[in-house]
Amino acid sequence: AQTVTQSQPEMSVQEAETVTLSCTYDTSESDYYLFWYKQPPSRQMILVIRQEAYKQQNATENRFSVNFQKAAKSFSLKISDSQLGDAAMYFCASWEGNEKLTFGTGTRLTIIP
Amino acid sequence: DTGVSQDPRHKITKRGQNVTFRCDPISEHNRLYWYRQTLGQGPEFLTYFQNEAQLEKSRLLSDRFSAERPKGSFSTLEIQRTEQGDSAMYLCATMSGNEQFFGPGTRLTVL
Repeated sequence: AQTVTQSQPEMSVQEAETVTLSCTYDTSESDYYLFWYKQPPSRQMILVIRQEAYKQQNATENRFSVNFQKAAKSFSLKISDSQLGDAAMYFCASWEGNEKLTFGTGTRLTIIP
Repeated sequence: DTGVSQDPRHKITKRGQNVTFRCDPISEHNRLYWYRQTLGQGPEFLTYFQNEAQLEKSRLLSDRFSAERPKGSFSTLEIQRTEQGDSAMYLCATMSGNEQFFGPGTRLTVL
């Protein structure tokens, strides 16, 4: 069974600084996908970034990048040049192709002006 | 806006009442999912449809819960004889490729 662990319930960062959110996962599959989703207060959950396990290169989307360590089963999210609009709950999730996402418990990110 | 809509956005009900939620997916997405999210937790999978066929149900989906997707379009999730433990956000999502698109959710409060 898939498990996803986020050990940081809350994080804060100064505006314009860089923050890293941690995530570890467990899977017995060799082919899987990992995701970071953002859930702003009272708003829809949206995909931030995705990583295919078979790709060694870390995914990057503008200010968002991941550090994917397959052997360590670690998948952290780095947010550069943090902006006020980045404040949200961030969820790490995994997908083994069995049709459901498995989510971690989330990290609440606060941006300090 | 992801293109997935849910109705109602909020529902307050008394214990023992039945409630029904609706999800309208992105039209070309044939896979539809229901998740439940309680406070301080990540979403948990409830059930999944491929077109009109319900292919998988979580053990979280007790006999009081039923989901349908007639004609493979919109979906409904009904909870009968609601209990206080049913209070949660109910999220709908549709899938294209390996990306899931989430609706805004229906927040259920059972008094």
